[in-house]
Amino acid sequence: QVQLVQSGVEVKKSGASVKVSCKVSGDTFTSYDINWVRQATGQGLEWMGWINPNSGHTGYAQKFQGRVSMTKNTSISTAYMELSSLTSDDTAVYYCARESFLYGMDVWGQGTTVSVSS
Amino acid sequence: DIQMTQSPSSLSVSVGDRVTITCRASQRIDSYLNWYQQKPGKAPKLLIYAASNLQSGVPSRFSVSGSGTDFTLTISSLQPEDFATYYCQQSYSPSRTFGQGTKVEIK
Repeated sequence: QVQLVQSGVEVKKSGASVKVSCKVSGDTFTSYDINWVRQATGQGLEWMGWINPNSGHTGYAQKFQGRVSMTKNTSISTAYMELSSLTSDDTAVYYCARESFLYGMDVWGQGTTVSVSS
Repeated sequence: DIQMTQSPSSLSVSVGDRVTITCRASQRIDSYLNWYQQKPGKAPKLLIYAASNLQSGVPSRFSVSGSGTDFTLTISSLQPEDFATYYCQQSYSPSRTFGQGTKVEIK
């Protein structure tokens, strides 16, 4: 079955960058957009952006413009999300999720915990 | 960005109760509305897509209504496994947004 497997826990200092990976298996990597969603402890879901693995086109939430970059490596069916200039407010679980237009985000990664300390 | 507002933010209910959650969009989104269920420590799970379509495996006690700006998720008879947080999400705009969530707790 389709799986999205994310990279492991990250602990960073304020001002650093973090890069989280999301490897897709069990289906064609280029057939679905990959969204990135984060969730701080006890808070709701916050959409960060998406990448089309076929074209490489991206779209980012205004809040993260200039600080986030979403890329992909088609040869290894992996999408990446890099967030720079980290602060403690970026401490959260980061999820990737595949989306087919009109069909919602139907498969999610297991989540990657990113902790940022000063 | 399109703002999604859910109500209530939380509710305490008993097994067997009927539960209704409302989601309102700040502008018309036609039927581009999805619902997710999330349990503590787990990734969200897609329940309903395109406003009215149950994802495969989702029990028929879940139903939805609405289009345009106002949508409703109903659980006809709450089961123990339904205690969770529910989120709506619009896919009308390329800039996706989620509602703030509705936590369904045991009374």
